[in-house]
Amino acid sequence: DAKTTQPTSMDCAEGRAANLPCNHSTISGNEYVYWYRQIHSQGPQYIIHGLKNNETNEMASLIITEDRKSSTLILPHATLRDTAVYYCIVRVAYQFYFGTGTSLTVIP
Amino acid sequence: DAGVIQSPRHEVTEMGQEVTLRCKPISGHNSLFWYRQTMMRGLELLIYFNNNVPIDDSGMPEDRFSAKMPNASFSTLKIQPSEPRDSAVYFCASSLDGQLPYQPQHFGDGTRLSIL
Repeated sequence: DAKTTQPTSMDCAEGRAANLPCNHSTISGNEYVYWYRQIHSQGPQYIIHGLKNNETNEMASLIITEDRKSSTLILPHATLRDTAVYYCIVRVAYQFYFGTGTSLTVIP
Repeated sequence: DAGVIQSPRHEVTEMGQEVTLRCKPISGHNSLFWYRQTMMRGLELLIYFNNNVPIDDSGMPEDRFSAKMPNASFSTLKIQPSEPRDSAVYFCASSLDGQLPYQPQHFGDGTRLSIL
């Protein structure tokens, strides 16, 4: 069972920052938060993950609240190619529980 | 670097036939996962191998499904006999070490299976 709650869909203007929220209020202290995205007809693509601290890589930034009950994925300058379903996942051991994700549409 | 490679990309076959899906993990990865994705149930883990040994097969739907990993660079998922309800996209993923919580899984592009 998915341990996260995400909005079903979001829109973002091209060139703007896309902020995707996720609630994971039942997360345990040693469980990581992962973000993946899936573009139509492709496999899930790894984006970023974190435990407690905020993380940044070449694709995105991950902001985790101090109580770890929620997080936000930030795509700093969204492009049309960022249109995809974004999954927020709480990893339990080797298990990734994919929920229904957020369908992000980047608008020209 | 080559990612996870799956074949075939598409498979259409008739009910009752045997189906074999293939996966080549990323070189050096010691963990391999098979997932199934459907509209109704989303992405589900079917089986997890670590160092070529099946660790968790609790997600395998029934005895018609079997998976093998004869060596570190190859795995198969077999359905025999196939049924229309097996129609789905099947993904293979690999990880440097599936036991480490900070190691991500990397997915292939999947096999879209249609059973008529």
